Amino acid sequence: QITLKESGPTLVKPTQTLTLTCTFSGFSLSTSGVGVGWIRQPPGEALQWLALIYWDDDKRYSPSLKSRLTITKDTSKNQVVLTMTNMDPVDTATYSCAHIKVHRGALFEYWGQGTVVTVSS
Amino acid sequence: DIQLTQSPSSLSASVGDRVTITCRASQNINNYLNWYQQKPGKAPKFLIYDVSNLQSGVPSRFSGSGSGTDFTLTISSLQPEDFATYYCQQSYSTPTFGQGTKVEIK
Repeated sequence: QITLKESGPTLVKPTQTLTLTCTFSGFSLSTSGVGVGWIRQPPGEALQWLALIYWDDDKRYSPSLKSRLTITKDTSKNQVVLTMTNMDPVDTATYSCAHIKVHRGALFEYWGQGTVVTVSS
Repeated sequence: DIQLTQSPSSLSASVGDRVTITCRASQNINNYLNWYQQKPGKAPKFLIYDVSNLQSGVPSRFSGSGSGTDFTLTISSLQPEDFATYYCQQSYSTPTFGQGTKVEIK
């Protein structure tokens, strides 16, 4: 059974750096064809893909946010960490991680419940 | 970025109705088109991949079709548990999602 859970601060101040951790079970990020992605959803808005990392450490970022994002993995801990710099109130959203099945591209097969992040002074 | 435009943004339907949602890509995505269902306060659920392949456990009343840039999700007979927001996603290049279609009870 694959499960994912996001953790991190619920409130950050503008200009601060956000660090989120995705802790997962039921799969290994050292297995070929597997990845983990981050997706966010502002209140009442659509899903926005942010970043992903594959088993071979290949990393991809949303072009519009690339300069602010870093994604890393710790295979031994079954964790993926996303950092986003220079946070702004428009970054207020639910941030979710998802297990990726690589099949003609990234399929977000299983999702965590998400963690709400509010950006406010 | 490849843009995905869904229509309509929302629709009202009754139990038993046939519902169709459209997703248009800004360029040919070679059938790398997937669909997700999201209920309020819940994580998205992966429904369909490669236009028309149902994920394991997804009811057969859900189907997908299309090619090139134009794709459709159809629910043949709407059930109470199907009232949700549906998103298309392309996996041809760096992922993008459509803006969503909310299916509401009439």
